[in-house]
Amino acid sequence: AQSVTQLDSQVPVFEEAPVELRCNYSSSVSVYLFWYVQYPNQGLQLLLKYLSGSTLVESINGFEAEFNKSQTSFHLRKPSVHISDTAEYFCAATSGGYNKLIFGAGTRLAVHP
Amino acid sequence: GAGVSQSPSNKVTEKGKDVELRCDPISGHTALYWYRQSLGQGLEFLIYFQGNSAPDKSGLPSDRFSAERTGGSVSTLTIQRTQQEDSAVYLCASSQQMGTDTQYFGPGTRLTVL
Repeated sequence: AQSVTQLDSQVPVFEEAPVELRCNYSSSVSVYLFWYVQYPNQGLQLLLKYLSGSTLVESINGFEAEFNKSQTSFHLRKPSVHISDTAEYFCAATSGGYNKLIFGAGTRLAVHP
Repeated sequence: GAGVSQSPSNKVTEKGKDVELRCDPISGHTALYWYRQSLGQGLEFLIYFQGNSAPDKSGLPSDRFSAERTGGSVSTLTIQRTQQEDSAVYLCASSQQMGTDTQYFGPGTRLTVL
């Protein structure tokens, strides 16, 4: 069965520092990968997704993630974080033509001034 | 346009009571999902509806849980004889169709079973 592992439950970082949130998925014939963000007291929002094509995908607010098939990873990165990036980030996967999402446990990103 | 809406936003109930949670998907979305977010289990898939096809109920934790979707739009998740372990945030999502379409999530219903 498909599974998703987020290696860090919490990541504290200072403002303007770079950050990487790690995500690994179990290997599958075909896999689609997503990062969702949940800001405090808000619902889940899609940040970015990988379906096919270029292995590097970007969001509108400066995050990017790279699909690495050999490492079965989909790590999320941002070169310089803002206080407003403080949130919980969930990596998710689905496979084949069926998009029941399997979520990781989440990583709480705390950006400090 | 309007996003996915859920009601109520909060529900407090006593153990053993039945509860109904409602989800209004984005207009025109044919796929609808229910997930549960709890401290111990994280985000778990519960059930999935796609058009007129039979729903995928593989994620429902027990036979106390059921869901229906009327007219291909509004969905109701019902929990009978609630238990304390049912306390969680219940999230609904919808997407245009099956496949790789983005799922849009509602704000959730926070259920507390006393």
